[in-house]
Amino acid sequence: AQSVTQPDIHITVSEGASLELRCNYSYGATPYLFWYVQSPGQGLQLLLKYFSGDTLVQGIKGFEAEFKRSQSSFNLRKPSVHWSDAAEYFCAVGGPLIQGAQKLVFGQGTRLTINP
Amino acid sequence: DSGVTQTPKHLITATGQRVTLRCSPRSGDLSVYWYQQSLDQGLQFLIHYYNGEERAKGNILERFSAQQFPDLHSELNLSSLELGDSALYFCASSVGTSAHPYEQYFGPGTRLTVT
Repeated sequence: AQSVTQPDIHITVSEGASLELRCNYSYGATPYLFWYVQSPGQGLQLLLKYFSGDTLVQGIKGFEAEFKRSQSSFNLRKPSVHWSDAAEYFCAVGGPLIQGAQKLVFGQGTRLTINP
Repeated sequence: DSGVTQTPKHLITATGQRVTLRCSPRSGDLSVYWYQQSLDQGLQFLIHYYNGEERAKGNILERFSAQQFPDLHSELNLSSLELGDSALYFCASSVGTSAHPYEQYFGPGTRLTVT
């Protein structure tokens, strides 16, 4: 079955430091991959997406992610975090192999805390 | 602002009651999805509608139902509510075409508390 694993439940980094959030997926073909961010009390905002082509994708707010087929990974990175980046981050996979047509399957999320 | 609106923002009700959550998709989007977010289950897909027709069901209880109206807004009906139904309910929408069918935009959610 298709699934997404975010190995880190909680990550703390200092403001200005670099960030990498891990995401591993299980899917039988080339998936569609997404990163969403959820601030406290807010909905999910789409940060970036991968459908095909260039495996390094750029998103909003200075985030980028790299699709690595050999590692079944889609890690999210940011070179320098800001206090406003503190939030919950969700990786998701979609694609025609997922029963339920166009639904997204989400990871459990990684909560990011920023130290001043 | 994703362009997806949900009402109400918060809902507090008692066990056994019935509530209706409403969602208006982004202008031009034909697909509406409902998700439930809880601490123990995470984000779970409930149901998908495309242009008024049900397309797929996920982990949706029989006590829950949904519909999408001709103006494309959608309602999620939750009945015989139990304490365990307390959660954040999200609506998402997408264009729903074959081009990028999985790019979904989420509303702010409705927080349901069952007491």
